Amino acid sequence: EIVMTQSPATLSVSPGERATLSCRASQSISSNLAWYQQKPGQAPRLLIYGASTRATGIPARFSGSGSGTEFTLTISSLQSEDFAVYYCQQYNNWPGTFGQGTKLEIK
Amino acid sequence: EVQLVQSGAEVKKPGESLRISCEGSGYSFTSYWISWVRQMPGKGLEWMGRIDPRDSYTHYSPSFQGHVIMSADKSISAAYLQWSSLKASDTAMYYCARHRLLPNFDCWGQGTLVTVSS
Repeated sequence: EIVMTQSPATLSVSPGERATLSCRASQSISSNLAWYQQKPGQAPRLLIYGASTRATGIPARFSGSGSGTEFTLTISSLQSEDFAVYYCQQYNNWPGTFGQGTKLEIK
Repeated sequence: EVQLVQSGAEVKKPGESLRISCEGSGYSFTSYWISWVRQMPGKGLEWMGRIDPRDSYTHYSPSFQGHVIMSADKSISAAYLQWSSLKASDTAMYYCARHRLLPNFDCWGQGTLVTVSS
């Protein structure tokens, strides 16, 4: 099973600033990676798939990059509604696995 | 509007059986797989497995194989997750989510909270 490791566990950033979240796979997953946002009491929401393609309706301030084992989610200018937990997910190998999450909190 | 609507919260005792549901609307139910994802209290997401509503073909994660059964009824656009004998460790939020062949979960149900306690 592929292990996905996200860092940092918690990230404190001020509104308007840039946030960079990392995700590392224990082996190469090509570009078969997705990012999800989860707010308290809500289901996750797909942000990015194929490592860099924004899902329908996702604002342009969200961008994804990387391939192989190293991936990054960047939020260019944080809005109040962006403070949440973010998960990466690999779907290159069965079973697909999620990272443990990065909590993005207001500084 | 594309929607997945799940059945309501459940409180059960250890050893009891349970089936929860996920109903799709606003899209062709048989054109997408349905996956189930577990989230234990305060924890992350775990992919349990998936089912193709066209023929009810299932594919379980090894961690959940033999512990749950997934099924579907395409005539009413519904998918199900069931347990024959619940344990306290099954206490969690369970989400259904749809996806095409590549499992990017672009629509999620609201979740069903299952609490197992004596």
